Formats: sequence, C-alpha cells, structure tokens
Amino acid sequence: DVKVTQSSRYLVKRTGEKVFLECVQDMDHENMFWYRQDPGLGLRLIYFSYDVKMKEKGDIPEGYSVSREKKERFSLILESASTNQTSMYLCASSKRHPGLYGYTFGSGTRLTVV
Amino acid sequence: KQEVTQIPAALSVPEGENLVLNCSFTDSAIYNLQWFRQDPGKGLTSLLLIQSSQREQTSGRLNASLDKSSGRSTLYIAASQPGDSATYLCAETYNQGGKLIFGQGTELSVKP
Repeated sequence: DVKVTQSSRYLVKRTGEKVFLECVQDMDHENMFWYRQDPGLGLRLIYFSYDVKMKEKGDIPEGYSVSREKKERFSLILESASTNQTSMYLCASSKRHPGLYGYTFGSGTRLTVV
Repeated sequence: KQEVTQIPAALSVPEGENLVLNCSFTDSAIYNLQWFRQDPGKGLTSLLLIQSSQREQTSGRLNASLDKSSGRSTLYIAASQPGDSATYLCAETYNQGGKLIFGQGTELSVKP
C-alpha cells in the first residue's frame, strides 16, 4: 500500500526550540508539499519541492524552512518555534504531473508549542 | 485569485439518506479536481479525482461530477451511513504541476 509517512502524530515543543517535522513517501513522487491546517483558515501551503534540493515558498513560509536531500524525504524546520505555530501539519506528495493520480497525504502531525 | 468555496459548512442527515456536497471555483481553466475525506485529528484520504476532460468519477457509493462551465463540482453520497461522518474537502489545481487550492470543507454528520 503506497503511502506518505509523517514521523510523529503528536509533538509538544517549547518556545524557541528548533523543530524538525519529517515526511517520507514510498511512491517515487517528484513533488512534495507541506501544509498547515487551522480552524477557520483551512489548509495553507507552507513550502513545496519539485525535485531533490529544490524548494519553493508557498503562501505562508515565514518562520519555516525545508530540506530535501533525498527524493523520498521532505523535512519541515521551525527554526525557533513560537506559540502561533501550534497547528496540524500535513505533508503531501504527487507525481510531477499530478493530473492522473492526484495527491497523497500523510496522517498529519499535531504540533503544540508551549 | 483562484478561490474554492464549499457550501454548506456543516450538514446533518439521518442514516440512509442520499446527499450532495457542493464545491464551486472561480476559474473554469482548472486542470483537475480532487475530493478528500478527513476524520477528526487525522490526515486527508483521497476519495475521487476528476481530470478537466472528465465529467464524473464513481467509487462505490460516491459519485463526483465536474462542470467547468458553471464552475461547480458535486460529491454525491448514496445511502449514507454513520461511518461517512467526516469533513469533506474539495481541492483543485490549475496546471500540470500545480498546487492544490482547497475549499474550507463540509462537516458531515450522519445520525443512526
């Protein structure tokens, strides 16, 4: 069963900590994405990547960075966690041209920053 | 700016009822549209994908349609069950490598 795996379901971190959220896909997808989801604001795109070592800013990149050293892994980094980054984080992947198969999402990471 | 709207925001129906969820979009030049299901606290599960050249897709009790000229997609759920209770999200892309643009979702509750 093909899938996108997010390493943690729940995380609690302290303000100012550096936080790594990991995402791995086993579908040989070229594209990978990080979203955050908040009540009333829906899903918002943080960063995405079309290839290894490539990254593009999404709609809300401030306070975040990403790393894609291998095709199957896309990491989201919170350089200095803040309480307003408490959210549900969702990783997704797709083929380079997702017209036929669409997007596949992971099960999410609920991050709480205290 | 492309926008996706889902109405209603919440819907409650008795078990066994057939129902329709609506999704509208502002730009008819879409590439594809995808319907997802999200259970509370969980990730998104893909239900159906409709490419721009298609008018509908079916999977079991689910049928999704796409009308580009009117800027609308609908998700039809036949013979609803309590296990169908979840939030349903539609999302579209506007080019081959495009990003998803999401609606706000419809929270469905099916009462036994």
